[in-house]
Amino acid sequence: DGGITQSPKYLFRKEGQNVTLSCEQNLNHDAMYWYRQDPGQGLRLIYYSQIVNDFQKGDIAEGYSVSREKKESFPLTVTSAQKNPTAFYLCASSISEGENTIYFGEGSWLTVV
Amino acid sequence: GEDVEQSLFLSVREGDSSVINCTYTDSSSTYLYWYKQEPGAGLQLLTYIFSNMDMKQDQRLTVLLNKKDKHLSLRIADTQTGDSAIYFCAEKIRNNNDMRFGAGTRLTVKP
Repeated sequence: DGGITQSPKYLFRKEGQNVTLSCEQNLNHDAMYWYRQDPGQGLRLIYYSQIVNDFQKGDIAEGYSVSREKKESFPLTVTSAQKNPTAFYLCASSISEGENTIYFGEGSWLTVV
Repeated sequence: GEDVEQSLFLSVREGDSSVINCTYTDSSSTYLYWYKQEPGAGLQLLTYIFSNMDMKQDQRLTVLLNKKDKHLSLRIADTQTGDSAIYFCAEKIRNNNDMRFGAGTRLTVKP
């Protein structure tokens, strides 16, 4: 089935550790995104990539890093520099033209313990 | 303002109609979207409307767009308990691949 797969669904991290969230899509979409969602709030854009080997910072990129070595994959690393990393992380993708509807994965819960 | 604005909560009785309202920011936005999020899940696209349309209907869903007031609404007819979720309004920013989201409206459907 076509879609966006995020893993793991739940992740616990100790303070000071880096952690990488996986996002894979088989929709042949050029653009991919990472959003952060905090309880009771909307989505905030962390990073996005419109093409392989290229990505741009979103509104809250500090403490995060990404790579886009393959069209299908857009992993997000939450580094120890991110002071408040506990949140729900959503990966998304879209085509680059037309209505550009963004489709979302099921999300990953990250908890810092 | 710079924010997409939605009321945070809406409660209706099963069988009634629900109307969720949204005010967006950019008069040149080309597409406007409604997403549904169930607890602990990602966002599911419900419907979208192109900016040159006033209304779009899809089964129980009706989207109304007032470009003059930059107002978007989602009407759910015959609301069911399974419609309980958070509904996000979003706009596609012209010349940008990004979308701007509202904070979401939590719809509660009471039996």
